[in-house]
Amino acid sequence: SQQGEEDPQALSIQEGENATMNCSYKTSINNLQWYRQNSGRGLVHLILIRSNEREKHSGRLRVTLDTSKKSSSLLITASRAADTASYFCATDSNAGNMLTFGGGTRLMVKP
Amino acid sequence: DTAVSQTPKYLVTQMGNDKSIKCEQNLGHDTMYWYKQDSKKFLKIMFSYNNKELIINETVPNRFSPKSPDKAHLNLHINSLELGDSAVYFCATKEQGLGPLHFGNGTRLTVT
Repeated sequence: SQQGEEDPQALSIQEGENATMNCSYKTSINNLQWYRQNSGRGLVHLILIRSNEREKHSGRLRVTLDTSKKSSSLLITASRAADTASYFCATDSNAGNMLTFGGGTRLMVKP
Repeated sequence: DTAVSQTPKYLVTQMGNDKSIKCEQNLGHDTMYWYKQDSKKFLKIMFSYNNKELIINETVPNRFSPKSPDKAHLNLHINSLELGDSAVYFCATKEQGLGPLHFGNGTRLTVT
């Protein structure tokens, strides 16, 4: 079974709106990472949050981590059509050797 | 220069054949990985290879074998291909310690 599970599986919003995606996981982690995948391409790293951090920002991205609830969220503010992609969370439970991915959230931003 | 490159991009073959997918990286990273992405977009780790240490996901059939001729390459060899092997296979790399994965653009394998 997947370590991380994203919610929702699919999200459709208008340009300019905010998009929030959630990730839940099962075991203790060292860090959690978010990746983006455009259609037909490989995954691209967006942001990494360590287990002792609660929030992190990068441009229009905001990631939160709640280790007590074993959950994380990715917020994309002021979305653009170019943000249309699948977004995956990945957990690192073993000192950086293996990342385990969730099933992803497919985000569509309509112009 | 592409940091992590995979060849071929598309591979169509018949059941029972043996095929290889190549991966090359120019990042100087210590660890290389193979992931399988199914039709529902789930990504599953298959192998991790670091300094000649191979870590295998126990759910991967032994028809799959990674081969590393040098630090910059980790190829994936698949014997006796089955219909269920159809998927997109991604190579990824990571430097030692904490840090992100760097992915190739994937190889779409179709077994007919």
